Amino acid sequence: EAGVTQSPRYAVLQEGQAVSFWCDPISGHDTLYWYQQPRDQGPQLLVYFRDEAVIDNSQLPSDRFSAVRPKGTNSTLKIQSAKQGDTATYLCASSPRLGAQDTQYFGPGTRLLVL
Amino acid sequence: GQQVQQSPASLVLQEGENAELQCNFSSTATQLQWFYQSPGGSLVSLLSNPSGTKHTGRLTSTTVTKERRSSLHISSSQTTDSGTYLCAIGRNSNNRIFFGDGTQLVVKP
Repeated sequence: EAGVTQSPRYAVLQEGQAVSFWCDPISGHDTLYWYQQPRDQGPQLLVYFRDEAVIDNSQLPSDRFSAVRPKGTNSTLKIQSAKQGDTATYLCASSPRLGAQDTQYFGPGTRLLVL
Repeated sequence: GQQVQQSPASLVLQEGENAELQCNFSSTATQLQWFYQSPGGSLVSLLSNPSGTKHTGRLTSTTVTKERRSSLHISSSQTTDSGTYLCAIGRNSNNRIFFGDGTQLVVKP
């Protein structure tokens, strides 16, 4: 069974540029999460979905960040106008069923550096 | 505020020594997991242990729910154990989990 895949693995931007991250969860998992992990900190949840519906996006900086999962499978996280403070690793995870307290399975992450 | 506190922040061992990692949390937890994050960044679940004691291989986790703490014991450490160990709690059925900042473990040969 293939794991969670993410692309790109690395991105380097100038401030003000836009970037998109892509995630393909494990097949059949209905719940998908995006986390931001600054250096030397634990992952912090940005947004999560059940199928195509957003369950909680309260931690997403909505003026510059957006996330979609249009068909309930793959997902895209976009930063419109990146800032140096966005430098972090962006992790995607999936779990089989919302509400079942299943383990989350993580992808390898995208490491973003904003200059 | 920080919901999950881990200690120590970093730990250096010689191969063969044992490691004891601590996790304290500020609210009740119905879910507690220990994760390992390799130096390259990939994060994997090691144990799910919301209460009691659980063993897998060289790992033993003990969670005392009433005292809001959990520990992870690694016996006979190996150089390949080097990396970051993260504790995460969940509070209800919505699958949302909260991570601590981790313990960075270095095992020297």
